[in-house]
Amino acid sequence: DAGITQSPRYKITETGRQVTLMCHQTWSHSYMFWYRQDLGHGLRLIYYSAAADITDKGEVPDGYVVSRSKTENFPLTLESATRSQTSVYFCASSRDRVREQYFGPGTRLTVT
Amino acid sequence: GESVGLHLPTLSVQEGDNSIINCAYSNSASDYFIWYKQESGKGPQFIIDIRSNMDKRQGQRVTVLLNKTVKHLSLQIAATQPGDSAVYFCAENNAGNMLTFGGGTRLMVKP
Repeated sequence: DAGITQSPRYKITETGRQVTLMCHQTWSHSYMFWYRQDLGHGLRLIYYSAAADITDKGEVPDGYVVSRSKTENFPLTLESATRSQTSVYFCASSRDRVREQYFGPGTRLTVT
Repeated sequence: GESVGLHLPTLSVQEGDNSIINCAYSNSASDYFIWYKQESGKGPQFIIDIRSNMDKRQGQRVTVLLNKTVKHLSLQIAATQPGDSAVYFCAENNAGNMLTFGGGTRLMVKP
């Protein structure tokens, strides 16, 4: 039972490059979320998805793009990475918006 | 819970003692609350939740207390163990909106 997985776990990239972070869940949860976690800000919601082909912006969506062609996958793309996007990124899933969310192990992204 | 800047508040307890971690939430309309545990290098892990129609809920070695009058949530851990060392944070949900996460408290367990 894999649960929710993220890849890669660590990534170093250069400013201006496109980067895609992957998230996969095996629970068939309807909702999926992307957060970034930075010192001083806690967890901030980037984007979320209520179902396949339905996505919505969160608190800090600028510079990010998401898609959800399949229920189990929710990739996050940084179209042109900036140093301010250096962070730890967590994917989460939930049966619905008001229930507990289950988090993946995170991806530590460094933009140089 | 609010962000507390670069330095998380820290609670240091002796192994075997009980721990109480507090969280002040911001929205009086919030009706669902969750406690998460995050160990170093890992994702947040669900511990326990409580709805606003309750003021207490117990799990294995953990109890969550909700005081809606003063908008306060606490997590009690009985017989704290070294494996309980982590950052704990609360999350609140306001009537179906997205979860809002607090900044967290670091629990350090001394052997």
